[in-house]
Amino acid sequence: GENVEQHPSTLSVQEGDSAVIKCTYSDSASNYFPWYKQELGKRPQLIIDIRSNVGEKKDQRIAVTLNKTAKHFSLHITETQPEDSAVYFCAASKGGSYIPTFGRGTSLIVHP
Amino acid sequence: DAGVTQSPTHLIKTRGQQVTLRCSPKSGHDTVSWYQQALGQGPQFIFQYYEEEERQRGNFPDRFSGHQFPNYSSELNVNALLLGDSALYLCASSIMTPNYGYTFGSGTRLTVV
Repeated sequence: GENVEQHPSTLSVQEGDSAVIKCTYSDSASNYFPWYKQELGKRPQLIIDIRSNVGEKKDQRIAVTLNKTAKHFSLHITETQPEDSAVYFCAASKGGSYIPTFGRGTSLIVHP
Repeated sequence: DAGVTQSPTHLIKTRGQQVTLRCSPKSGHDTVSWYQQALGQGPQFIFQYYEEEERQRGNFPDRFSGHQFPNYSSELNVNALLLGDSALYLCASSIMTPNYGYTFGSGTRLTVV
């Protein structure tokens, strides 16, 4: 089955800095890659996603890149703010039934 | 528009007992998936229900079972509870076609003592 590795497990940055979280996946058939943000005690929420037919997608301060050849994808957050502090999960799934496999999560801490 | 609702929010059970967790999907969604999230880990897929049938199952023992009702709501049952079953149980709803994009509930925190 699919295996998703996520790094780093913890990321500490100063407000205004950029943050990058990286994930790799094992199944070359995977074609949908969502990112979820989970604040403490709250539900995971989809923040951005990318499909395998594009290499990059951007939404305001958040961007995701995908390298299908290397089977890795990354989340980029620019101009970080304290409210960006949360656990971020990457996931991978393939067409047919959408059942994402999640990474172990990255705890992002943004210091004011 | 109500999102995904789960009940109860917290639960404490004793080893060997049985537990039932409930989930109502987001309006318009017909598919329910259940995940187990241990502390400090990513969500692990338990199973998915669509049209009142289990469509796929993750690597969980038969002690974990489920059901989906005609109104698309779902239950997760766990028998013979173990200490290791302590976790946050997340329900996620979606639309089967087109099939992408989960909406998660807030979860049920299960503690087994």
